[in-house]
Amino acid sequence: AQSVAQPEDQVNVAEGNPLTVKCTYSVSGNPYLFWYVQYPNRGLQFLLKYITGDNLVKGSYGFEAEFNKSQTSFHLKKPSALVSDSALYFCAVRDLDAGNNRKLIWGLGTSLAVNP
Amino acid sequence: GAGVSQSPRYKVAKRGQDVALRCDPISGHVSLFWYQQALGQGPEFLTYFQNEAQLDKSGLPSDRFFAERPEGSVSTLKIQRTQQEDSAVYLCASSPARQNQPQHFGDGTRLSIL
Repeated sequence: AQSVAQPEDQVNVAEGNPLTVKCTYSVSGNPYLFWYVQYPNRGLQFLLKYITGDNLVKGSYGFEAEFNKSQTSFHLKKPSALVSDSALYFCAVRDLDAGNNRKLIWGLGTSLAVNP
Repeated sequence: GAGVSQSPRYKVAKRGQDVALRCDPISGHVSLFWYQQALGQGPEFLTYFQNEAQLDKSGLPSDRFFAERPEGSVSTLKIQRTQQEDSAVYLCASSPARQNQPQHFGDGTRLSIL
């Protein structure tokens, strides 16, 4: 069965420091991985995705994520955090070998707090 | 409009009433998804359309939940005989026909059942 785990409910970092938000996944085939961000009372905004190719994916707002097949991980990173990055972050996976079904499986989310 | 539009943004209903939530996807987007998001939780898949065809409704929690997209554009999620546990934010997302494109989300409808 497909699943996504975000092991940290909350991550706290100081402004200007690097940040990492962790995600591990489980699929039977090849994964298609996403990161989304959610601000209060808003829908989810797409940050970046991985399908194939370079393991380091660059996305919106200076975020990047590293795909690690052996560790089945797709951690979100940013070299220098901003207070405005404080939000809820979701990792999602889709099994590319699951045919035409485009359903995504979502993690429970990680709340990122960047302190000034 | 430029993005996914959902209406109403907020809905309060008494237990037992029927509600209808509307989603206007991005023009031309073939795929449309409905999710339920409880407070502090991730989105839970409800159902998925490709054009007017409902390809997956495995996430609908009971037969009180019904979704339609009759012309392959606007979609309506209907909940009959609402219960307090139906209180949540209902998110709609759409994506283009091309495979491997991200889903674009609306801001959701916050449903409160009293």
